[in-house]
Amino acid sequence: DIQMTQSPSTLSASVGDRVTITCRASQSISSSLAWYQQKPGKAPKLLIYKASSLESGVPSRFSGSGSGTDFTLTISSLQPDDFATYYCQQYNAYSRTFGQGTKVEIK
Amino acid sequence: QVTLKESGPVLVKPTETLTLTCTVSGFPLNNARMGVSWIRQPPGKALEWLAHIFSNDAKYYSSSLKSRLTISKDNSKSQVVLTMTNMDPVDTATYYCARTIRWPGVEGLDYWGQGTLVTVSS
Repeated sequence: DIQMTQSPSTLSASVGDRVTITCRASQSISSSLAWYQQKPGKAPKLLIYKASSLESGVPSRFSGSGSGTDFTLTISSLQPDDFATYYCQQYNAYSRTFGQGTKVEIK
Repeated sequence: QVTLKESGPVLVKPTETLTLTCTVSGFPLNNARMGVSWIRQPPGKALEWLAHIFSNDAKYYSSSLKSRLTISKDNSKSQVVLTMTNMDPVDTATYYCARTIRWPGVEGLDYWGQGTLVTVSS
């Protein structure tokens, strides 16, 4: 199975900060990567697919990049609504896998 | 309006089989670019992808749980069913179903159900 490793596990930041979350795949997955945001008690929300394509309705402060094994999710200016947990997910292999999540906390 | 709703038991005993149903609306299960996935999340832990099924009845399973999972669909009822055998307390989790959009190079879980918490305990 392809393992997805996110870093950091927890990130403390302030409103207005630029935030970057990293996701690394255990083998190349081309651009077959999606990012999700999850708030407590809620279902996840799709932010980005194909590594860098923004889902409709998602604010432009979110962006994704990378290919192969290394990917990043960037929030250009953190807003109060962005404090949440973020997950990457690969869909290159037969069996899909999520990363372990990155919690973005208020500093 | 796309909606998905999970239903099933809230409590199952160890060794029992869990059957969950996802009832969808707003899109047909025979749409070539859409399918339905199941994902679970133990309390306080990460998401875990379980399985998905597409319009052509193609099925994909988590490698680690493949022997215990079966996914199926009934287009006429707009339902997708997941069964998991030999339940254990470690399977206690919120189980979600989600619409899966797919075309070459692209896949995403764009609509999710609210989730259903399943507890495994004797």
